[in-house]
This record gives sequence, C-alpha cells and structure tokens, in this order.
Amino acid sequence: QKEVEQDPGPLSVPEGAIVSLNCTYSNSAFQYFMWYRQYSRKGPELLMYTYSSGNKEDGRFTAQVDKSSKYISLFIRDSQPSDSATYLCAMNAGGTSYGKLTFGQGTILTVHP
Amino acid sequence: NAGVTQTPKFQVLKTGQSMTLQCAQDMNHNSMYWYRQDPGMGLRLIYYSASEGTTDKGEVPNGYNVSRLNKREFSLRLESAAPSQTSVYFCASSPQTGTGYTFGSGTRLTVV
Repeated sequence: QKEVEQDPGPLSVPEGAIVSLNCTYSNSAFQYFMWYRQYSRKGPELLMYTYSSGNKEDGRFTAQVDKSSKYISLFIRDSQPSDSATYLCAMNAGGTSYGKLTFGQGTILTVHP
Repeated sequence: NAGVTQTPKFQVLKTGQSMTLQCAQDMNHNSMYWYRQDPGMGLRLIYYSASEGTTDKGEVPNGYNVSRLNKREFSLRLESAAPSQTSVYFCASSPQTGTGYTFGSGTRLTVV
C-alpha cells in the first residue's frame, strides 16, 4: 500500500463548479501538507501549503487537513477552464526528513466552458 | 527570475548509453532534489542533497548517480541507460526549512 493515495480521476466539471480533490495517507508522522498544480508538459508549481491540521484559504482555493482521519482536501470554488491541470498532493514529516516530499499520484482535472 | 533551470529538455538515448542531466537554481536554496514522474506513479524521489557537499538516496536510486557541484548545481547521471529509465525527470530546490519546492520544467528522456 502506498503511503499517500490520491484518486487519479480524471475529473471533468463545468465552469463555475466547486471541485473537491482528496488524498489519504498512512504515515501519522506527516505534518507538512502541500498541493501542487501541474499544467501539461510543465513542472509542478506550489499552490497551497499547510502545517498540521486546519484550514487555509487563498482566493478560490481552500486546503483542509484532518490529521485524525489522515485525510487532506483541496477545494476550488468557481472553477475556471484555466484550472484544468493535474493536482498533486504532497506531504512530509519534517525534522530529519524535511524536504523529502511524498507525492500522491495526481488527479487530472478538466474544467469545460 | 529563472528559478530552476534544467537541461536538456528532451533526449533520446540508446540502451547502454550514458548521459548527465543538468540542474541549476538561482534562489540560494540549500536543498536540491531529483524526481522522476511516470504515468500512474506520481513523482518518486531518486536522490536529494540536503545541503552543499551532501547527497543521499531517495526511493528509486538504482541506475543513477548524482553530484552536488556547488550550491547552485545538482546533476543526475545515467551510466548505462535502460528502457525502464524512460521517464520525465524533474529537478527541484527548497529552502533550508523544506517548505515547498520550486520545480524545473523537466527533461523528457526516452531510452530505446
């Protein structure tokens, strides 16, 4: 079983929809959680960063972490065609493992006009 | 503001050939990483360098070697390429605290 599981999709939604992307993990030591967005044939770019449990909002994006359930989510409100990309969750335990991220498989999202 | 620069962008190798992938960052980051990305597998860590002068194996190091040439540059070498090494390779860097990477644009490698 992989340490981080992410539904690969693909996910197709109409413009304006609310999108929910999710990851589950098994390593209880993880405490830093990130979401990356990757456009086709590009490198991933950091979208959201969260430490420990809780919510973080940035414009149309909200990241949630529930450490008790080992579950993280990314919500996209009022989705736009420009949000069409692969979304990757990533996490690490900090401490001596700082910087070594474990990634989910990525979810392919298409927002159609 | 170049960020992380990888060269080459594309490469085709024959089985058994060798090559070096180059990576340079201009953000004064201490840590650098090499990942490979395969369909359905996500990003897997090959090697990393926590700071200048140190390198360590990641999840899938077999068949690869690395060199942290200085604080800016971190290269990945394939000594004898195999078809299983066909992949997209990403270099990344992060500050000392390791909070979030900056990725390069990738090298698409095909081994035939």
